[in-house]
Amino acid sequence: DAGITQSPRHKVTETGTPVTLRCHQTENHRYMYWYRQDPGHGLRLIHYSYGVKDTDKGEVSDGYSVSRSKTEDFLLTLESATSSQTSVYFCAISESLAGKETDTQYFGPGTRLTVL
Amino acid sequence: EDQVTQSPEALRLQEGESSSLNCSYTVSGLRGLFWYRQDPGKGPEFLFTLYSAGEEKEKERLKATLTKKESFLHITAPKPEDSATYLCAVYEKGTYKYIFGTGTRLKVLA
Repeated sequence: DAGITQSPRHKVTETGTPVTLRCHQTENHRYMYWYRQDPGHGLRLIHYSYGVKDTDKGEVSDGYSVSRSKTEDFLLTLESATSSQTSVYFCAISESLAGKETDTQYFGPGTRLTVL
Repeated sequence: EDQVTQSPEALRLQEGESSSLNCSYTVSGLRGLFWYRQDPGKGPEFLFTLYSAGEEKEKERLKATLTKKESFLHITAPKPEDSATYLCAVYEKGTYKYIFGTGTRLKVLA
């Protein structure tokens, strides 16, 4: 199994509070991703990183920010949580090199976030 | 618009009843297509990567195939432990983005 951990695994918070989710990898992979998964929508990309301090937006980035100060850690922050951000959040990693077989994404166990 | 469509949404099979799941995609340039298995409360687990039309890969009771417009995940003589949601994703050339389908929920009855 790919060495990916997410913390916390579960969190309940109130509307308007800031929330930070952490993704930690031990694979030294260059690329890291944050997704949210909601019924009927599948996995949707929030933000991704293609290197330390290099990040970009995905399709559902509004209300979220990210930071990556080290290869192994990718943080997702909800500056002011809203009920629409209640979801399951997954982190993923990949390593895209000249060899095609390295394009595969590997996922963490997920964080279930509830915003009341 | 780039998109990935999986069908059926849900499938119930008797143990030993073989079937296929479909993933059709529309992207300007396919770099790779991926199949994942997801159990309730867990993250997606990687199954296969396919890169070019005509490619096939097998693992136990599962076989994945790829054409220019779609991929199939064939399940031969399934067992109850094969019950899960199966996700398909495509990786478009020139981007860092993977596009996921909404999955097929498979239930195999003993």
